[in-house]
Amino acid sequence: EIVLTQSPGTLSLSPGERATLSCRASQSVNSIYLAWYQQKPGQAPRLLFYGASNRATGVPGRFSGSGSGTDFTLTISRLEPEDFAVYYCQQYGDSPPKVTFGGGTKVEIK
Amino acid sequence: QVQLHQWGAGLLKPSETLSLTCDVYGGSFSGYYWSWIRQSPGTGLEWIGEINHIGSTKFNPSLKSRVAISIDKSKNQFSLNLTSVTAADTAVYFCARAQGGHRNFDYWGQGTLVTVSS
Repeated sequence: EIVLTQSPGTLSLSPGERATLSCRASQSVNSIYLAWYQQKPGQAPRLLFYGASNRATGVPGRFSGSGSGTDFTLTISRLEPEDFAVYYCQQYGDSPPKVTFGGGTKVEIK
Repeated sequence: QVQLHQWGAGLLKPSETLSLTCDVYGGSFSGYYWSWIRQSPGTGLEWIGEINHIGSTKFNPSLKSRVAISIDKSKNQFSLNLTSVTAADTAVYFCARAQGGHRNFDYWGQGTLVTVSS
């Protein structure tokens, strides 16, 4: 089973600052199966990126996704007030078939 | 515009069966995987399992012995049954649609809090 470890657990930043979130896999992940989500309190997760770097519909350009193998990164170039939320990475593995999520990174206002 | 709306009982006693249904609006079942995911403070986001449009299922190995997922295309809905629940099954349950190629979840239900308590 592939384990996804996200760091840091909490990121305290001010609006306008750059946020860099890490997702590390316990073994290599096929990049087409790596996704990122944003979740706000009381809401379902919202898809941000699929295939590691493909922005989902409606996601602002200040968000970018990158990485391959075991190391993936979500970057928010300049934080807007609505970006303060929890972010999760997710992968799908087919042997055995299973979806796993990282533990999340909370981006909070400093 | 695709929408998922889920419903079902929110309070169960230990040993009972959790049953949730997800109505799908505005989309086709073909080409997608229809999943159930749960979230609790202790275990984070946990994938329960999925079903495709022809009824083929896959489950999380840790829950496989207690889970059933079914689909009713005539009613545009899919359902989750989780048997012999315990307090550890207390969580917010989500239905979600996964894209066939990338297996990411692009549409989600609103979530249902299921509490297991005697």
